[in-house]
Amino acid sequence: SQQGEEDPQALSIQEGENATMNCSYKTSINNLQWYRQNSGRGLVHLILIRSNEREKHSGRLRVTLDTSKKSSSLLITASRAADTASYFCATEGDSNYQLIWGAGTKLIIKP
Amino acid sequence: NAGVTQTPKFQVLKTGQSMTLQCAQDMNHEYMSWYRQDPGMGLRLIHYSVGAGITDQGEVPNGYNVSRSTTEDFPLRLLSAAPSQTSVYFCASSYQQGANYGYTFGSGTRLTVV
Repeated sequence: SQQGEEDPQALSIQEGENATMNCSYKTSINNLQWYRQNSGRGLVHLILIRSNEREKHSGRLRVTLDTSKKSSSLLITASRAADTASYFCATEGDSNYQLIWGAGTKLIIKP
Repeated sequence: NAGVTQTPKFQVLKTGQSMTLQCAQDMNHEYMSWYRQDPGMGLRLIHYSVGAGITDQGEVPNGYNVSRSTTEDFPLRLLSAAPSQTSVYFCASSYQQGANYGYTFGSGTRLTVV
């Protein structure tokens, strides 16, 4: 069963603009993770934010977590053509440690 | 290069055939798992293992078997392939469950059952 739901399902922006994707989930979590998947490839881990953290940065990536609203956002600043990919959020439960995945946001960066 | 290696990358099976998808990791990760990815859906967990000799079922285990005789290897067996098993299969590993560690994924096996 899917827990995470990404929004929007698809996003198309110009190179250089910022891209924001959102993820909502339903149950208590240990952490929330974001992954990138280029077309036809495996998933690549981008960033993990723990349930007691509110914001985390990694290079051009900024992730926020609001546990009261059960939601997270991923911001990619100064987008590049190479950022074109699908982005998935996954939550690790705080009792059952299995990852539960959303259906992903397809991001297209136009040159 | 350290990581998760999956073989084969592509496979076509006839209904009723069996096969094994191979997965190996060289990072000494305790946790390994198999997912399937279908269009428009997130990843769904098939089976997982928290260490050598220990396996358990995920969300969609029917029609699949796994074993974990070593830390490094976690093969997935399709017992009698069905068209509903047409999908992309990913193996993933992590240091340990609940350790706030990300997952490392293989490059996937694209399986078609005709």
